[in-house]
Amino acid sequence: EPEVTQTPSHQVTQMGQEVILRCVPISNHLYFYWYRQILGQKVEFLVSFYNNEISEKSEIFDDQFSVERPDGSNFTLKIRSTKLEDSAMYFCASSGGQPSPSTDTQYFGPGTRLTVL
Amino acid sequence: GDSVTQMEGPVTLSEEAFLTINCTYTATGYPSLFWYVQYPGEGLQLLLKATKADDKGSNKGFEATYRKETTSFHLEKGSVQVSDSAVYFCALSDQGTDKLIFGTGTRLQVFP
Repeated sequence: EPEVTQTPSHQVTQMGQEVILRCVPISNHLYFYWYRQILGQKVEFLVSFYNNEISEKSEIFDDQFSVERPDGSNFTLKIRSTKLEDSAMYFCASSGGQPSPSTDTQYFGPGTRLTVL
Repeated sequence: GDSVTQMEGPVTLSEEAFLTINCTYTATGYPSLFWYVQYPGEGLQLLLKATKADDKGSNKGFEATYRKETTSFHLEKGSVQVSDSAVYFCALSDQGTDKLIFGTGTRLQVFP
């Protein structure tokens, strides 16, 4: 069964450093997402991406964050200058958008645990 | 704005007990409703969903019915197993948007 994969599984970085989290969505999917879950808190939407552009983003997704689909298979989340409060589990998700993006299932990856020291 | 409220955990049950995890929502439009499950050390997996009022989603013995009148989507299972131990998340996706809004999650622990 196709699945979403994410690398690395755990990333440790120093405050102020840049990190890139990588995801390989399911191959025929068109809609891509990043969510995060701070330890003990709820899963929060960060950004959605369709047709090579951001379709929606949350207040959390400020100028420090960016997303890219560099090669047609990978989907990346970059945090330009990490802060302590960026420590969280980051989940990538993808969907086919059928019959509509709001009704279709989003398939989640296993997550990348980011620890900012 | 849209939101999801689900019961606090942990929920602790003996094997073969009946399970209910309550979920209520607030939405401006006509949302789709989802239950996701997270097993230890794994990502989120869709358990079931319902996209319109009175729809019942079901999978692996779990069921939930989309109740528009009570804005609820409670998860039920008639007889839980130890292997059902996980965190369960209720979520919605409103019309015109595809972002998922999650509840806080409910940890279920099932003992033999």
